[in-house]
Amino acid sequence: DAGITQSPRHKVTETGTPVTLRCHQTENHRYMYWYRQDPGHGLRLIHYSYGVKDTDKGEVSDGYSVSRSKTEDFLLTLESATSSQTSVYFCAISESEIMMNTEAFFGQGTRLTVV
Amino acid sequence: AQKITQTQPGMFVQEKEAVTLDCTYDTSDPSYGLFWYKQPSSGEMIFLIYQGSYDQQNATEGRYSLNFQKARKSANLVISASQLGDSAMYFCAMREGLQGSSNTGKLIFGQGTTLQVKP
Repeated sequence: DAGITQSPRHKVTETGTPVTLRCHQTENHRYMYWYRQDPGHGLRLIHYSYGVKDTDKGEVSDGYSVSRSKTEDFLLTLESATSSQTSVYFCAISESEIMMNTEAFFGQGTRLTVV
Repeated sequence: AQKITQTQPGMFVQEKEAVTLDCTYDTSDPSYGLFWYKQPSSGEMIFLIYQGSYDQQNATEGRYSLNFQKARKSANLVISASQLGDSAMYFCAMREGLQGSSNTGKLIFGQGTTLQVKP
């Protein structure tokens, strides 16, 4: 199994508070991703990273920021949590600058509830 | 713009029969990769199969095959001889190519299809 760990696994927070989710990998993979999964919407890309300090927005980036100061860690911050950000968050990693056919490996997911 | 569409929210199949899950995509990049993942009720994401845009043959992995029709921009997953353990949500995904400045590895997913296998 790919070495990828998300923390925390579960969190309940109040509206308006900042929240940071952590994704840690031990595979030295270049690419890292944050997705949210909601019923009817599948997996939607929030932000992704293609190297240390290289990040870009996905399709649902509003209200989220990310940082990647070292290869192994990719942090997702909800600057001021809202109830619409209640979701299951997945981190994924992928290698392959040259080969297209390497799959992404996923963390176990973080269930976030904003009350 | 990069886009993936799965139009079947839910499907049923009888055990031991074959089933096709639909996926269409849109991209202007000539180099891309297509993936299928399975998510059982336990929540983990399991990689099933990959198809590259330049691959001449359709990908196969055991009971999984990918019906790749490039001109129609479709990449349907075919599961043969369905088993009860195939009941899960299935996601189609796409990564665009690594040409020029688009070297970002951006990976997007469709909405998913829930498959239920009946005994």
